[in-house]
Amino acid sequence: DGGITQSPKYLFRKEGQNVTLSCEQNLNHDAMYWYRQDPGQGLRLIYYSQIVNDFQKGDIAEGYSVSREKKESFPLTVTSAQKNPTAFYLCASSSRTSGNEQFFGPGTRLTVL
Amino acid sequence: QKEVEQDPGPLSVPEGAIVSLNCTYSNSAFQYFMWYRQYSRKGPELLMYTYSSGNKEDGRFTAQVDKSSKYISLFIRDSQPSDSATYLCAMSDYGGATNKLIFGTGTLLAVQP
Repeated sequence: DGGITQSPKYLFRKEGQNVTLSCEQNLNHDAMYWYRQDPGQGLRLIYYSQIVNDFQKGDIAEGYSVSREKKESFPLTVTSAQKNPTAFYLCASSSRTSGNEQFFGPGTRLTVL
Repeated sequence: QKEVEQDPGPLSVPEGAIVSLNCTYSNSAFQYFMWYRQYSRKGPELLMYTYSSGNKEDGRFTAQVDKSSKYISLFIRDSQPSDSATYLCAMSDYGGATNKLIFGTGTLLAVQP
């Protein structure tokens, strides 16, 4: 089945630790995205990548880092510099010819203890 | 002023009612319009996708776009308890200045049996 997978589903982090969230897609999509969702604020774009080995900052990139070494994978690292990391993180992908029609993974809930 | 404004709700309706969900936007360059449905603690699911102005129907769902008024709507006929979710509008000027998807904050819908 084609789709987007994210792991883990739930993640707990101690303050000062870096954590990496996984996102994998087998849709053969060129573009991938990371969003953060907080109650009442909708989806905010963290980083996006339109091709392998290239990515751009979104609206709230501070405290996050990404890599795009493979077309299928776009991991997100939440660093200790991110002051308020507790949120629901969503990964999405799209085809370059689709008019930005994005498909989402199931999400990762990150909680800082 | 936000680029995309969405009625926050929450909206509570009886089963069988017609539901109207709406968004307004300010960027006249937007030409791709989407509606996503998001169940609690899940990733958003693409429900409707429309290019430019006009109507699109899919079963009980109808999406309308009025570019002259910068207004989009999603109608749900014969609403069911399983339609209870948060509905997000999203839009893009794909190929234009930003090439990113801009989301509304979402409307929480509850369909009462």
